[in-house]
Amino acid sequence: QVQLQESGPGLVKPSQTLSLTCTVPGGYISSGGFYWNWIRQHPGKGLEWIGYIYYSGSTYYNPSLKSRVSISVETSQDQFSLKLSSVTAADTAVYYCARDRRASGPHFDYWGQGILVTVSS
Amino acid sequence: DIQMTQSPSSLSASVGDRVTISCRTSQNINTYLNWYQQRPGKAPKLLIYGASSLQSGVPSRFSGSGSGTDFTLTISSLQPEDFATYSCQQSYSLPYTFGQGTMLEI
Repeated sequence: QVQLQESGPGLVKPSQTLSLTCTVPGGYISSGGFYWNWIRQHPGKGLEWIGYIYYSGSTYYNPSLKSRVSISVETSQDQFSLKLSSVTAADTAVYYCARDRRASGPHFDYWGQGILVTVSS
Repeated sequence: DIQMTQSPSSLSASVGDRVTISCRTSQNINTYLNWYQQRPGKAPKLLIYGASSLQSGVPSRFSGSGSGTDFTLTISSLQPEDFATYSCQQSYSLPYTFGQGTMLEI
């Protein structure tokens, strides 16, 4: 059973950088074959895809956030991370990490529980 | 970006009912369409991928159909645990996009 767990600060000040980590025990990241994603959900709203990373380090970001987003991977730690810079109140959301399996098209088959990040001074 | 439009935005039903939820995309996505269930305060759960493939462990009362721009999620006989929000998602092109969700209420 693949497990994903988000961690990081629940409160970030405006203009600062939001930093979150997703831990995936068991060597799944370095085994390849899957893409590792960040997805967020504003309060009471739909889901917004932020971007993904492959174990090799290749990334793709949502153009709407591309100028502020960075996703990195640390396979030795079974972790991948999200950094979102220059945050505002509009970045307040629940942030999820999720695995993207490529069979009959990409789909998110395992998710973390989510972490609420509030942007406020 | 591919726009996703779900209908209805909310739906009231009873245990045992058959319900259908629709998802329309702004361009042809073949069958690159996934469905998720989300209960309050929980992460989304994959139900259907590739428009019609049932994710392992998901009850067979859930089914998906469609191709091109029009897709449907059907629940054949509602159970109490099915009252949740359902979202579609396209994986045809980046950036991946989601529908706004359909809230299924008792």
